[in-house]
Amino acid sequence: EAGVAQSPRYKIIEKRQSVAFWCNPISGHATLYWYQQILGQGPKLLIQFQNNGVVDDSQLPKDRFSAERLKGVDSTLKIQPAKLEDSAVYLCASSLRDRGYNEQFFGPGTRLTVL
Amino acid sequence: KQEVTQIPAALSVPEGENLVLNCSFTDSAIYNLQWFRQDPGKGLTSLLLIQSSQREQTSGRLNASLDKSSGRSTLYIAASQPGDSATYLCAVESNFGNEKLTFGTGTRLTIIP
Repeated sequence: EAGVAQSPRYKIIEKRQSVAFWCNPISGHATLYWYQQILGQGPKLLIQFQNNGVVDDSQLPKDRFSAERLKGVDSTLKIQPAKLEDSAVYLCASSLRDRGYNEQFFGPGTRLTVL
Repeated sequence: KQEVTQIPAALSVPEGENLVLNCSFTDSAIYNLQWFRQDPGKGLTSLLLIQSSQREQTSGRLNASLDKSSGRSTLYIAASQPGDSATYLCAVESNFGNEKLTFGTGTRLTIIP
């Protein structure tokens, strides 16, 4: 079974530039998550999709971050414009979300460096 | 608000020893608790998931326990190997809202050959 795919793996940009990350979840997984992991911290949920719809985006900085999930499969996360504090690893995860057993599977992440 | 704590932040042990990693959480109303492993520069690998009705789960040399009433979980690693060196994260899925995971900050484990 193929895992969660993410691209690019690394990205270096200057502040105020834009950047986009792509995620392809495990086939059949209806729920998709984007996390931000700052160095030395645990991942923090940015946004959760259930199929096409947003379930939770309460911690997404909506003035600069946006995300979409077209056709309930692939997803993109965009930052525009980037700030220095956005330097982090951006992790995508997916799950079957079978109530009571919501095991999440993570992709390799995209390491973003904002200069 | 759920808070998850992992102590110590770093741990070094000689190869072959058994060890225990600790995780505590503030709100006992959880659906499940998941232990992950993260290698440097990599994503998270799920190790074990314990549902709220369970007390432990085992996979190979790994055993995870859950005590909801006290807000604690432990990950036991038997006969440690250098390949076990990684950061271990625990995460809880709370029993309210949208089932999102709240992560601890992790324990960085180094196995000394």
